[in-house]
Amino acid sequence: EPEVTQTPSHQVTQMGQEVILRCVPISNHLYFYWYRQILGQKVEFLVSFYNNEISEKSEIFDDQFSVERPDGSNFTLKIRSTKLEDSAMYFCASSARQEPNYGYTFGSGTRLTVV
Amino acid sequence: QKEVEQDPGPLSVPEGAIVSLNCTYSNSAFQYFMWYRQYSRKGPELLMYTYSSGNKEDGRFTAQVDKSSKYISLFIRDSQPSDSATYLCAMRAAGNKLTFGGGTRVLVKP
Repeated sequence: EPEVTQTPSHQVTQMGQEVILRCVPISNHLYFYWYRQILGQKVEFLVSFYNNEISEKSEIFDDQFSVERPDGSNFTLKIRSTKLEDSAMYFCASSARQEPNYGYTFGSGTRLTVV
Repeated sequence: QKEVEQDPGPLSVPEGAIVSLNCTYSNSAFQYFMWYRQYSRKGPELLMYTYSSGNKEDGRFTAQVDKSSKYISLFIRDSQPSDSATYLCAMRAAGNKLTFGGGTRVLVKP
């Protein structure tokens, strides 16, 4: 069964450093998403991406965050200057179409720890 | 009032019992309702999707939506130890964004 692949599975970074979280969505999917889950809290929407541009973003997704699809297969989330409160699981997801019955497929996540 | 509320549990049931999960919501713009299962240290996995009010059945799973009460449910029949996980409800209005509940931890004891 096709999978969304995320690397690394765990990243530790120092406060103020830049991190790039990487995702390989399912190959025929067109819509891409990042969500995050702070320990013990809800899964929260960060951003959606379609046709090489952001289609929707949350208030969490401020100027410190950016997304990119640098080639035909990868989808990345960059955090420019990490803060302690950025520590969370970051999930990438993709879907074939926008209609909600085409369920999103989530990756297994990257655990980001900011120290 | 939180946009989506879900009892965190844990909900402990014996194997073979019916598991009953629910969420309430406040945003009347939500049109699409989903249930995800999340195992520890894994991403959410879509179980059920429903649109508008009504019931939907898929194997051992039944999802119900009551838009008039802003209440959705998931029932798992003949529960198995492998059903032990966290169950997340999620909802969507017209855009792309999914709004999740906090999840209910379910433990099915053999």
